[in-house]
Amino acid sequence: KNQVEQSPQSLIILEGKNCTLQCNYTVSPFSNLRWYKQDTGRGPVSLTIMTFSENTKSNRRYTATLDADTKQSSLHITASQLSDSASYICVVSDRGSTLGRLYFGRGTQLTVWP
Amino acid sequence: EADIYQTPRYLVIGTGKKITLECSQTMGHDKMYWYQQDPGMELHLIHYSYGVNSTEKGDLSSESTVSRIRTEHFPLTLESARPSHTSQYLCASSDVASNEKLFFGSGTQLSVL
Repeated sequence: KNQVEQSPQSLIILEGKNCTLQCNYTVSPFSNLRWYKQDTGRGPVSLTIMTFSENTKSNRRYTATLDADTKQSSLHITASQLSDSASYICVVSDRGSTLGRLYFGRGTQLTVWP
Repeated sequence: EADIYQTPRYLVIGTGKKITLECSQTMGHDKMYWYQQDPGMELHLIHYSYGVNSTEKGDLSSESTVSRIRTEHFPLTLESARPSHTSQYLCASSDVASNEKLFFGSGTQLSVL
């Protein structure tokens, strides 16, 4: 069973609307959680990182939240644009090694329609 | 824009061929990784390196090999390609200064016929 579960699997919204993507994890111990955006045919690009002590972090139109007690994170996209169409991947790092093992979710495929 | 480059972007080859996927980064990162990604699935780590002359196998059993002779270069080789190797291969790098944020290349889409 994957230790990082994302929902929904796919989402279609109209341009200008807001949306929220969810990430639930069971990884323990916990070091940090990152959200990546992956455009079709490209490699993922980091949007934001959340550490244990952080609850909310914003990066332009993206706002990530973290509840370390319930092991849940969300990524809220405000005023969506066509260029937001991509897969959004949640990645959780543990503290089991110096490197920190990474656990990947399967991503949420977001499509923004005009 | 990440300074990490993969070639080729697309590759179609026949079964049994030997291939090398190239990956280079100009950021001076110590750590480099190879991931395999199938549509709708999570990334799976197949190889990683902490630095020159250091290579390790990842979580996913793989018939590929890697080498790290120079910091900037981390090629992946398949000695005998099979249809089951058809996938997207992503190279990435990271370092402590970037808080281990992964910088990915654009990937190589491999199709083995």
